[in-house]
Amino acid sequence: AQKITQTQPGMFVQEKEAVTLDCTYDTSDPSYGLFWYKQPSSGEMIFLIYQGSYDQQNATEGRYSLNFQKARKSANLVISASQLGDSAMYFCAMRELSSQGGSEKLVFGKGTKLTVNP
Amino acid sequence: DVKVTQSSRYLVKRTGEKVFLECVQDMDHENMFWYRQDPGLGLRLIYFSYDVKMKEKGDIPEGYSVSREKKERFSLILESASTNQTSMYLCASSLKLSYTFGSGTRLTVV
Repeated sequence: AQKITQTQPGMFVQEKEAVTLDCTYDTSDPSYGLFWYKQPSSGEMIFLIYQGSYDQQNATEGRYSLNFQKARKSANLVISASQLGDSAMYFCAMRELSSQGGSEKLVFGKGTKLTVNP
Repeated sequence: DVKVTQSSRYLVKRTGEKVFLECVQDMDHENMFWYRQDPGLGLRLIYFSYDVKMKEKGDIPEGYSVSREKKERFSLILESASTNQTSMYLCASSLKLSYTFGSGTRLTVV
C-alpha cells in the first residue's frame, strides 16, 4: 500500500493565484514528519517546508504553507500568489523509521506537476 | 552548505555490464540514500545506509547492491545492468531533519 498519495498528476494555476497540492499519508507511527520538495526541470530537489507530527501549528515558509489535518492524515501544500517560476514537480515525502530501527528514511509520493500560466 | 556530489551526470552502459554509481557528501552525515526516479512513479528508495558498512534495503533493492566503506561515500552497484534499470538515480544524505540531494545521474542501459 502506498504510504504517500498524491492524487493530482498535474495542476494548472494562473499567475498570482493560490494553489493547493494534495498529499495524504499512511502511518501507524505516532512520531513522523512530512516534507514538501520542489523539483524544477533542472532536476535539483529543493526543500520547501516541514511539518512534524507533534507540531501544534501549521508550518509556513514565505509563500508556502502546509495545511496539516492529522485526523485526516493529510498534509496539503498551499502556494500563495503563484509565480511563473513555481512551475515544477512537487513531491510530498514522509520521514519514517526503518523497519530495522537503525535509521530514518524518506518515502516519497509520485509527485504533482504544477504549471503556472501567465 | 552541505554538498552531495554524484560522479556522473550522464552514463550510457551496455546490458550485462557491472555499473558503479558514486556519491560523496562533504559533511559528517550519518545517513545516505539511493533513489531512482521514473516519470509517474516519483522517487523510490533502493538502499540506504545509517553508518559505515551498515545498509538496509529500501522498496526496490532487486538488481542493486551498495557499498559504504567510508562515511562520506556511498556507492550503488548494478551487478548486471538491464534495460529496465534505465532511470534517473538520486543520492541523498541526511542529518536529523536536513536532507540534501545530489544532482542526479541519468543512466541509460542499451
